[in-house]
Amino acid sequence: AQSVTQPDIHITVSEGASLELRCNYSYGATPYLFWYVQSPGQGLQLLLKYFSGDTLVQGIKGFEAEFKRSQSSFNLRKPSVHWSDAAEYFCAVGGNDYKLSFGAGTTVTVRA
Amino acid sequence: DAGVIQSPRHEVTEMGQEVTLRCKPISGHNSLFWYRQTMMRGLELLIYFNNNVPIDDSGMPEDRFSAKMPNASFSTLKIQPSEPRDSAVYFCASSLQTGTGTDTQYFGPGTRLTVL
Repeated sequence: AQSVTQPDIHITVSEGASLELRCNYSYGATPYLFWYVQSPGQGLQLLLKYFSGDTLVQGIKGFEAEFKRSQSSFNLRKPSVHWSDAAEYFCAVGGNDYKLSFGAGTTVTVRA
Repeated sequence: DAGVIQSPRHEVTEMGQEVTLRCKPISGHNSLFWYRQTMMRGLELLIYFNNNVPIDDSGMPEDRFSAKMPNASFSTLKIQPSEPRDSAVYFCASSLQTGTGTDTQYFGPGTRLTVL
C-alpha cells in the first residue's frame, strides 16, 4: 500500500519570497504523484501531476514540482509567493488502481 | 464544465437525525468517490463507485453510513442516525477511470456537516 508524508504541518512565508513544500512517498512500484491545493472553505484543486517523463513538472498558478526517485520525494515549489497562495496543500500518491493516498497537508500562511 | 456539484454546502443537524448529502459528478466521468475530511484523520476514502456500481466500501465507518448511485449523474451519501462524531467535511470527487493510478480526481466544494 502506498503512503505519503508531508513533514511540515505549517509554513509561514513572506509575500514575494520563495516557497518549497516537502512530500515523501512510499510505494513499491512506479508512483503517480499529485499536488492539490485547498483554499479555505473550498474543495481540492489539482495543481499538477507527475506520471512519467520529465521529472520537473509545471502546474497552474506558477507552481512546479520535482520528482526524485532516489529520495522518494515530490517537492512543490514556487519562486515568488502571492498572498492568494495562502491555503492548505496536499500531496497524493496513486498506484496501479483507483486509490489515492493523501498526506496530512501543509498549511501555508503568507505574511505581507 | 460546471465541475463536481455538491449540496448542501453546509448542514447542521441534531444527533439522531438522518442526513443526506448529494453529488453530481462531471459529465462523462465514470468513477465517483466519497471522502471525509477531519482534523484528526485527514482525507479518508469512504466509498468508490465505477459505472454506478459500488466497488469498494471498505472505508464506510459503520452501518449508519450508506451510499447510492442510481445513475451516472447523481450520488447520495446518507447517515442515519447521525452522531456528533460524524461532524466533518464530506467531499465528492469524480474521474474518467482508465483503471490506473493516472486518473485525476476532480473534487467538489464539499459539504460541511455539523451534528449537535
